[in-house]
Amino acid sequence: GAGVSQSPSNKVTEKGKDVELRCDPISGHTALYWYRQSLGQGLEFLIYFQGNSAPDKSGLPSDRFSAERTGGSVSTLTIQRTQQEDSAVYLCASSFGTGGDEQYFGPGTRLTVT
Amino acid sequence: RKEVEQDPGPFNVPEGATVAFNCTYSNSASQSFFWYRQDCRKEPKLLMSVYSSGNEDGRFTAQLNRASQYISLLIRDSKLSDSATYLCVLNTDKLIFGTGTRLQVFP
Repeated sequence: GAGVSQSPSNKVTEKGKDVELRCDPISGHTALYWYRQSLGQGLEFLIYFQGNSAPDKSGLPSDRFSAERTGGSVSTLTIQRTQQEDSAVYLCASSFGTGGDEQYFGPGTRLTVT
Repeated sequence: RKEVEQDPGPFNVPEGATVAFNCTYSNSASQSFFWYRQDCRKEPKLLMSVYSSGNEDGRFTAQLNRASQYISLLIRDSKLSDSATYLCVLNTDKLIFGTGTRLQVFP
């Protein structure tokens, strides 16, 4: 079946611009996660959605970052007024439930802020 | 102190060697643990879960030591295709990923 998809695969933007990154989770997965991975670094948790519950936003690095999940499916991560330090690979993952369920990752969006 | 700590490596080993990675964690309330594998410029993928009794999957063995708060991954008879970064992951109310240990297997 189809896995997690993300778009765009690459995004180059100028400092100060807003960007939107999209994630389509696996159908039927109730949990959706966003992570950020800078070059040579580990995964940094950003936010996760579980069903209709309020999202856990504890990992968002600043108020320039926001995310929404419409209809319990597709999610969009928005970064406003991008900075060079926002350059990273943004990974989305989904799982059937939360906690110990396996997370399936999308291929990521490589964001470069010039 | 980081919640999950791993030796970044790289571990350079010849084909056929046995290699082991350790990972320490600080949250004693962690419920479950995993090893994920991440190939260069690819997304992470689940390698195996880690059970209290230890578990084995082919050439891979994972063990958990709750008293000392570490988990380990043993790879026997290393293959070139095992070259990747191995991420230690613990589950509290969400998954916490370590920064990974890089393995390079050479011919």
